[in-house]
Amino acid sequence: NAGVTQTPKFRILKIGQSMTLQCTQDMNHNYMYWYRQDPGMGLKLIYYSVGAGITDKGEVPNGYNVSRSTTEDFPLRLELAAPSQTSVYFCASSRRVSTNEKLFFGSGTQLSVL
Amino acid sequence: KNQVEQSPQSLIILEGKNCTLQCNYTVSPFSNLRWYKQDTGRGPVSLTIMTFSENTKSNGRYTATLDADTKQSSLHITASQLSDSASYICVVSAEGNTGFQKLVFGTGTRLLVSP
Repeated sequence: NAGVTQTPKFRILKIGQSMTLQCTQDMNHNYMYWYRQDPGMGLKLIYYSVGAGITDKGEVPNGYNVSRSTTEDFPLRLELAAPSQTSVYFCASSRRVSTNEKLFFGSGTQLSVL
Repeated sequence: KNQVEQSPQSLIILEGKNCTLQCNYTVSPFSNLRWYKQDTGRGPVSLTIMTFSENTKSNGRYTATLDADTKQSSLHITASQLSDSASYICVVSAEGNTGFQKLVFGTGTRLLVSP
């Protein structure tokens, strides 16, 4: 199993550009998540999904959109990139949400908006 | 406000030595506490998950403790190796009223194991 795969690993955007961060998992997990990690801060939840066709906002959803058309894929869309969106983005998945369920993380996408 | 605080921020130890990382939390209602290891340029990897009733949990040379009364946890690393150099993140899960568990992440302790 490849686990959770994110692409690209690095990206530089100009202000106002748009892009999609790709995330796919091959563990047949129902739950998928997008987090951002800023320097010196804990990870913050952007969006999550409990299954295909179902998504919901996390703590910091403004400026982002998601979709979940399949169990495997959970892309994150930035429509109008802003410098405040410079961060490292992590996608994660879990089989379900229960007390002892592990989250499996991808290796991250480092995004700079200049 | 739900918060997770970790100490120290950073730590340097010699290879072969032991160390203990601390985590204090104010998260309610508490569901579980997790420790993750994050290598530079990689995503976090789960080390342990402990529920309210668990005081200690081990994973190889990593031993986590939980005191739910004082809302403190520690991660003890025994006989450190160079590969232990990483950030260690404490994460506390709060039970939501919809069943979804909200994870509150600490900022991590950056450990450097020196030869």
